[in-house]
Amino acid sequence: DAMVIQNPRYQVTQFGKPVTLSCSQTLNHNVMYWYQQKSSQAPKLLFHYYDKDFNNEADTPDNFQSRRPNTSFCFLDIRSPGLGDAAMYLCATAPNVAQGTDTQYFGPGTRLTVL
Amino acid sequence: GDSVTQMEGPVTLSEEAFLTINCTYTATGYPSLFWYVQYPGEGLQLLLKATKADDKGSNKGFEATYRKETTSFHLEKGSVQVSDSAVYFCALSDYTGGFKTIFGAGTRLFVKA
Repeated sequence: DAMVIQNPRYQVTQFGKPVTLSCSQTLNHNVMYWYQQKSSQAPKLLFHYYDKDFNNEADTPDNFQSRRPNTSFCFLDIRSPGLGDAAMYLCATAPNVAQGTDTQYFGPGTRLTVL
Repeated sequence: GDSVTQMEGPVTLSEEAFLTINCTYTATGYPSLFWYVQYPGEGLQLLLKATKADDKGSNKGFEATYRKETTSFHLEKGSVQVSDSAVYFCALSDYTGGFKTIFGAGTRLFVKA
């Protein structure tokens, strides 16, 4: 089945220790997103890629970076995690629909704990 | 800018009760509207969607109708089950906002046996 996969499902890191979360997709979608979600709040968009074009949200801290080496993979790097960065991180994809975005397909998320 | 407002939770119902979760939106263009559901410990998944005014989205007994005149997209189900317990997010997608989706704050539903 085509899907969005996130690894690991649970990640524990130490305060200030860099961490990388990964996302892969078999849907061949052009658009990939990273969201941060705290305590079942609305997902907060961090950034998204349209193909290799990177689009950062204005309020995304510099501590958060992303890489998309190819269509299938996208990484979220947190350079110096703080306690406030503990959250669920969701990856999502969407097809390139000529008239705008359509349904987003979410991975299961990675729950990040910062000690 | 575009926004989505949905009723606050939690909503607690007994099994077989009728469910309504209200959602209203503001948008400058002609958005598509969605309901996503998130079960505990999982990512979001699409429940239903509607792409133009008066369209009705439906899935698994849930329905929502795109009402342009009232800018609403209320979620309804005639008879809820314990397995429907989850967080429900109303959302819109509007090309004028780029390739982005705007989510409401989410409404947690508890269904008791």
